[in-house]
Amino acid sequence: DIQLTQSPSFLSASVGDRVTITCRASQGVSSYLAWYQQKPGKAPKLLISAASTLQSGVPSRFSGSGSGTDFTLTISNLQPEDFATYYCQQLNSYPRTFGGGTEVEIK
Amino acid sequence: EVQLVESGGGLVQPGGSLRLSCEASGFTFSSYWMHWVRQVPGKGLVWVSRINSDGSNTGYAGSVKGRFTISRDNAKNTLHLQINSLRAEDTAVYYCARDGGYNYDYAFDYWGQGTLVTVSS
Repeated sequence: DIQLTQSPSFLSASVGDRVTITCRASQGVSSYLAWYQQKPGKAPKLLISAASTLQSGVPSRFSGSGSGTDFTLTISNLQPEDFATYYCQQLNSYPRTFGGGTEVEIK
Repeated sequence: EVQLVESGGGLVQPGGSLRLSCEASGFTFSSYWMHWVRQVPGKGLVWVSRINSDGSNTGYAGSVKGRFTISRDNAKNTLHLQINSLRAEDTAVYYCARDGGYNYDYAFDYWGQGTLVTVSS
């Protein structure tokens, strides 16, 4: 199974900050990497597919990059509604594994 | 509007069974692969199972293989997950999710709201 390691697992940031979350895969997944946002009590929401393709309706302050084993999700100009938990997921092979999550909290 | 609505969760004793359902609307259900993902409250997401568009091919996480069975009824736009021999560690919120297919590099583009399964005596 492909393991995905997200870091940090928790970060505290202020509105307007730029934050970066990393996701490292235990083996190459090409660009088959997605990012999801999850708020408490809600289902995950797809933000980015194919490592860097922003989904329709997702604000442009979200961006993704990377390929192979190293990926990043960047949120520029953090907004109050961005405080949530973020997960990466690899879609290269089964089982479809997720990273452990990064909780973004208001400082 | 795409909608996925799960049902069937509840409290069940260890060793018991449940059948979860996910009713789909707003898209051509029979054209999409579907997945189940679970989440222990306060913990991360774990992929559980998948089924192809016509139901002829399925796959499972190792932790549930042999106990869980995924199926679908394309005539009723419904996905199912039969869960048997339930254990305390199966306690989780179970989500159904649509596979976005080639256009989304197989990311899960829509998710249901989840149904809670609690295994306890």
